[in-house]
Amino acid sequence: KAGVTQTPRYLIKTRGQQVTLSCSPISGHRSVSWYQQTPGQGLQFLFEYFSETQRNKGNFPGRFSGRQFSNSRSEMNVSTLELGDSALYLCASSFTTGGRTGELFFGEGSRLTVL
Amino acid sequence: AQTVTQSQPEMSVQEAETVTLSCTYDTSESDYYLFWYKQPPSRQMILVIRQEAYKQQNATENRFSVNFQKAAKSFSLKISDSQLGDAAMYFCAYRSPITQGGSEKLVFGKGTKLTVNP
Repeated sequence: KAGVTQTPRYLIKTRGQQVTLSCSPISGHRSVSWYQQTPGQGLQFLFEYFSETQRNKGNFPGRFSGRQFSNSRSEMNVSTLELGDSALYLCASSFTTGGRTGELFFGEGSRLTVL
Repeated sequence: AQTVTQSQPEMSVQEAETVTLSCTYDTSESDYYLFWYKQPPSRQMILVIRQEAYKQQNATENRFSVNFQKAAKSFSLKISDSQLGDAAMYFCAYRSPITQGGSEKLVFGKGTKLTVNP
């Protein structure tokens, strides 16, 4: 079974530009979460989608947005990029049943550098 | 809001020896989940071990075990017979129980970098 796939793996942008990152979850997983990882702040929750609906959102400005498609694939978008947005963006998927927590499976991440 | 604290930014251990990584958390909830995740250099994060707060028995996965002290809000990870492949960043994470409209959101600690010396 294929794992969580994130594209692109690496990208470089300049301030003011926007970026779209993609995440394909493990087949059958309906929950997709996004995290930002930086050396200073560690891992911070961005948002989570379940069945195309945003189920939870972290404390990030409105420049950060996301969506989920009917096939559970998810995208996140960052507009008007700032230097501080440079980070590793991690996507994770899970298969949640009966209210019990499912294991989160992480992708390898998309490393964004903003110049 | 829940917080997770890992007080050891870096740890080192000799191959074949035992090491314990510390984690404390703060919550007002009585039911929750705790995890240890491993992130090898330039590789994806994987789950090492999981503990449900309602279970008194400490979780064990092969060479990995936890010491869960609910009253003290402590959740340490013990790695026995350390191997070179155990070298990685280790993250402690907290998750609230899924309630109506709940979420899989994890709150992570800042991580502990484990070095294994041959």
